[in-house]
Amino acid sequence: GAGVSQSPRYKVAKRGQDVALRCDPISGHVSLFWYQQALGQGPEFLTYFQNEAQLDKSGLPSDRFFAERPEGSVSTLKIQRTQQEDSAVYLCASSFLWTGSYEQYFGPGTRLTVT
Amino acid sequence: GQQLNQSPQSMFIQEGEDVSMNCTSSSIFNTWLWYKQDPGEGPVLLIALYKAGELTSNGRLTAQFGITRKDSFLNISASIPSDVGIYFCAGWRSNYQLIWGAGTKLIIKP
Repeated sequence: GAGVSQSPRYKVAKRGQDVALRCDPISGHVSLFWYQQALGQGPEFLTYFQNEAQLDKSGLPSDRFFAERPEGSVSTLKIQRTQQEDSAVYLCASSFLWTGSYEQYFGPGTRLTVT
Repeated sequence: GQQLNQSPQSMFIQEGEDVSMNCTSSSIFNTWLWYKQDPGEGPVLLIALYKAGELTSNGRLTAQFGITRKDSFLNISASIPSDVGIYFCAGWRSNYQLIWGAGTKLIIKP
């Protein structure tokens, strides 16, 4: 497809379950970002990949959050032992630029609800 | 987390009216971006600003990068129903992190 895709679009998890969220960036985009967006707020940075290298993971809120991009294209954000405060929309964005921080193109997001 | 101060939080306007919203920060940014987000979708880039004082247009949208590099505004002229949504400003300083405002929700009165 032409744009960034994310799956699933919606995920309901029981507290304590592990979840995996997938992002397919735009073909050829070397930079990939994950954001967390709480209701009524702007996105907050979680982590950044340049190809397969995770260059910045300073935004990950706890060690329960883990992201990977093993072949430099598709990325997975994994949340272990989900908590209610993890409920949010998780957005993925990609960019062609090596520096990567602007002109990012976003996917539709995965809405995670932890019950 | 750190956010930009975006105002107003929401706006109720009549179709055809002009709209103005702004974003301020206590820190300097090298790049300002304006995004629009529709319900259930990711943000879509509207305008990117790279130089202090820069004024850039995209159709009915005009945005400016403040001279102090601590603020930016977005104007929408002659609003139409498809303009409804949430408008976000975002600033980039260095490294890889975009800092975002909390958004301005635009609602058009029927």
